[in-house]
Amino acid sequence: ILNVEQSPQSLHVQEGDSTNFTCSFPSSNFYALHWYRWETAKSPEALFVMTLNGDEKKKGRISATLNTKEGYSYLYIKGSQPEDSATYLCALHNAGGTSYGKLTFGQGTILTVHP
Amino acid sequence: NAGVMQNPRHLVRRRGQEARLRCSPMKGHSHVYWYRQLPEEGLKFMVYLQKENIIDESGMPKERFSAEFPKEGPSILRIQQVVRGDSAAYFCASSPPPLYGTGELFFGEGSRLTVL
Repeated sequence: ILNVEQSPQSLHVQEGDSTNFTCSFPSSNFYALHWYRWETAKSPEALFVMTLNGDEKKKGRISATLNTKEGYSYLYIKGSQPEDSATYLCALHNAGGTSYGKLTFGQGTILTVHP
Repeated sequence: NAGVMQNPRHLVRRRGQEARLRCSPMKGHSHVYWYRQLPEEGLKFMVYLQKENIIDESGMPKERFSAEFPKEGPSILRIQQVVRGDSAAYFCASSPPPLYGTGELFFGEGSRLTVL
């Protein structure tokens, strides 16, 4: 059973603060690491799909890094805004006999940005 | 360009009844996935389908659950003889064929099943 861990479980920050959270995963048989943003009552929306060790991706104020050798990824949000409040999910696509689209999700980090 | 459409959004069933959840993938997507979120838990993979084929059903409970994605029409997740433990949010996602996509899944807003 694959174990994808996210920390912290929840986070409260003030508007304008920069923040980051962690996703840890087993490094063996790595294929891809996904980050999704999930607002309440909406559908999870993909932020990044990362495949290469050392990869860094950026979308506006949000960026992510990937270390496949040690099995972790960081998500950074620069200058948080109230509209960034959401649950951030990471999901592992493992290559060990796993079919395409079979992702193992972490429990998520709930971010609340206070005005 | 409509996203992944799921219906019903909310479904209430009594124990022993059947539940049918429908999912229409995004236009151009031929791959459909069902995930389940039990209360206080994360999203868990259930099944991966292409048109008329089940590719991976390793996450499906062995009994009472079935899924299909016919040549025409939406994908359907069917739960027979529902029990209280089936109460959960069921999410459908779709993607283009692997060679043509970035790997990301496009999710619907979910169908919330409550079993009384």
